[in-house]
Amino acid sequence: GAVVSQHPSRVICKSGTSVKIECRSLDFQATTMFWYRQFPKKSLMLMATSNEGSKATYEQGVEKDKFLINHASLTLSTLTVTSAHPEDSSFYICSARDRLAGALSTDTQYFGPGTRLTVL
Amino acid sequence: QKEVEQDPGPLSVPEGAIVSLNCTYSNSAFQYFMWYRQYSRKGPELLMYTYSSGNKEDGRFTAQVDKSSKYISLFIRDSQPSDSATYLCAMSVLNQGGKLIFGQGTELSVKP
Repeated sequence: GAVVSQHPSRVICKSGTSVKIECRSLDFQATTMFWYRQFPKKSLMLMATSNEGSKATYEQGVEKDKFLINHASLTLSTLTVTSAHPEDSSFYICSARDRLAGALSTDTQYFGPGTRLTVL
Repeated sequence: QKEVEQDPGPLSVPEGAIVSLNCTYSNSAFQYFMWYRQYSRKGPELLMYTYSSGNKEDGRFTAQVDKSSKYISLFIRDSQPSDSATYLCAMSVLNQGGKLIFGQGTELSVKP
């Protein structure tokens, strides 16, 4: 159980194009999904928190117009990198929190396999 | 000072060794503690979680929390080459929207 998928796993695009990354919880409903960015040999940097049916909450320094997040259902959140530039190249990882998890496990997050974005 | 500090390593041990991975933290409000394992180019995988001081054991893995010292550890017994990965500690304040604060991650290599 508690499987999270991401699509695509890798994407290469030209500078100036937009890229959409999907995050799905496959066997549970997720009230909250999180989007992270990870640089090589670095820890995960939280970009934004996505709640189903409401606007995402962005961390300080993350441009909400650059990184558009939509959480249309309890099993799907999307991250769109708009007008991508080479500095946006990174490993993007989503995680999801199980809506039905017990009170003591409400902060347990299950991670997707990540999407490697390369902007040329 | 970062909220969570973790020695990035790399740490290299022979197969069968006992591995100790550690994190310290400064926020006394943290109540929930997790260890994740991340293989190269993959997403993190939850290994263990705990919310109280003391030890929690799961197979070859033991998670230890000392809230008085603001110190958590993960012990791996009889380490295997398949344990080679980056280990990330994470912690959170309950009822704060589930936001996790991660350590930098420790890169572990277990040599056969």
